[in-house]
Amino acid sequence: SQQGEEDPQALSIQEGENATMNCSYKTSINNLQWYRQNSGRGLVHLILIRSNEREKHSGRLRVTLDTSKKSSSLLITASRAADTASYFCATDGTGFQKLVFGTGTRLLVSP
Amino acid sequence: DGGITQSPKYLFRKEGQNVTLSCEQNLNHDAMYWYRQDPGQGLRLIYYSQIVNDFQKGDIAEGYSVSREKKESFPLTVTSAQKNPTAFYLCASTPDGTGELFFGEGSRLTVL
Repeated sequence: SQQGEEDPQALSIQEGENATMNCSYKTSINNLQWYRQNSGRGLVHLILIRSNEREKHSGRLRVTLDTSKKSSSLLITASRAADTASYFCATDGTGFQKLVFGTGTRLLVSP
Repeated sequence: DGGITQSPKYLFRKEGQNVTLSCEQNLNHDAMYWYRQDPGQGLRLIYYSQIVNDFQKGDIAEGYSVSREKKESFPLTVTSAQKNPTAFYLCASTPDGTGELFFGEGSRLTVL
């Protein structure tokens, strides 16, 4: 079952622009995570935000969480071509240590 | 360097054959997972194991089997009962309690 749904499915921007992608989920969660996947590779963890947090920063990444709306957003500021990848949200709503992933947003950053 | 090693990276199989995908980690993590990813899709959980000699079915366990005889190893067998096995398979692990998953580089299985 897919707990999270990312929006948009695909996003194309120019270098230097900001990229925002959203994630909606269905059930209560303890935490929400964002992962990045380069084409044909494994996923890499970016950031984890707990249910009692509203915003978190890590370098050029900013994540927000609105538990009342069951949604999260990932903002990448000053995008670079190297940010081109798919981005997935993952939630633990179905059980401890059992993450459920969304369908992902494909980000293309053009030089 | 610590990490998760999946092998083989590419695997071709004829219909009716069982294949086993290897996943080894030297991170001393308790929990290990197998996910399947189809083109343009998210990850779906096949099996997971929170401790040696114990594992649980995920959302799409039919046609798959696993074992967890050692903490470091969590091999996945794709059996002939799996109707549509062509996919990208990802192994992951996590230390108890943190929630963050560490992934291998994946194994791409193609059924000919």
